[in-house]
Amino acid sequence: GQSLEQPSEVTAVEGAIVQINCTYQTSGFYGLSWYQQHDGGAPTFLSYNALDGLEETGRFSSFLSRSDSYGYLLLQELQMKDSASYFCAVRDQTGFQKLVFGTGTRLLVSP
Amino acid sequence: DTAVSQTPKYLVTQMGNDKSIKCEQNLGHDTMYWYKQDSKKFLKIMFSYNNKELIINETVPNRFSPKSPDKAHLNLHINSLELGDSAVYFCASSQDVGYTFGSGTRLTVV
Repeated sequence: GQSLEQPSEVTAVEGAIVQINCTYQTSGFYGLSWYQQHDGGAPTFLSYNALDGLEETGRFSSFLSRSDSYGYLLLQELQMKDSASYFCAVRDQTGFQKLVFGTGTRLLVSP
Repeated sequence: DTAVSQTPKYLVTQMGNDKSIKCEQNLGHDTMYWYKQDSKKFLKIMFSYNNKELIINETVPNRFSPKSPDKAHLNLHINSLELGDSAVYFCASSQDVGYTFGSGTRLTVV
């Protein structure tokens, strides 16, 4: 089976940098994704890492270490609108047809 | 133009009733999904369809029956609703690595 662990909550202030960690156990690995979900909203795709290293997309970056079964999402220059839940997700051995989500991290950004 | 649209957005119904949720995507994606998000925000896959064919049925009770009339539509019918079915149900579609989710259907069973 698969399991993904994330911290349940992270708090930070506007303008700060925050890192949300994700450790995973999966049979077969086809990349680590990150999704953002605001309260009452839909999950939205942020990033995908198939290979080790850092992927940067604007203020958000995502990192993967396959040997450590570990990844993180880095959010820079935090804004109030970044307050949301963040989920890491992996595909299992079936490939593209099944995305398994982590437990989610609630990020609270304060002024 | 909404990429993945679900209806209804809210559904309040009594135990034992039967209800349906509809989903349509205009992205041309081949694969569609139903996910259930519980009160603790845990997102769990229920079904996956690829080009109208059922690919994944994640040990969901057979009271839940998905139907895909074509690759742009994936509906979910639920029979004999139970209190534990209360959750937010998300439809999603994908072609590559990123999933596009619908806005969700909040189902409340009373």
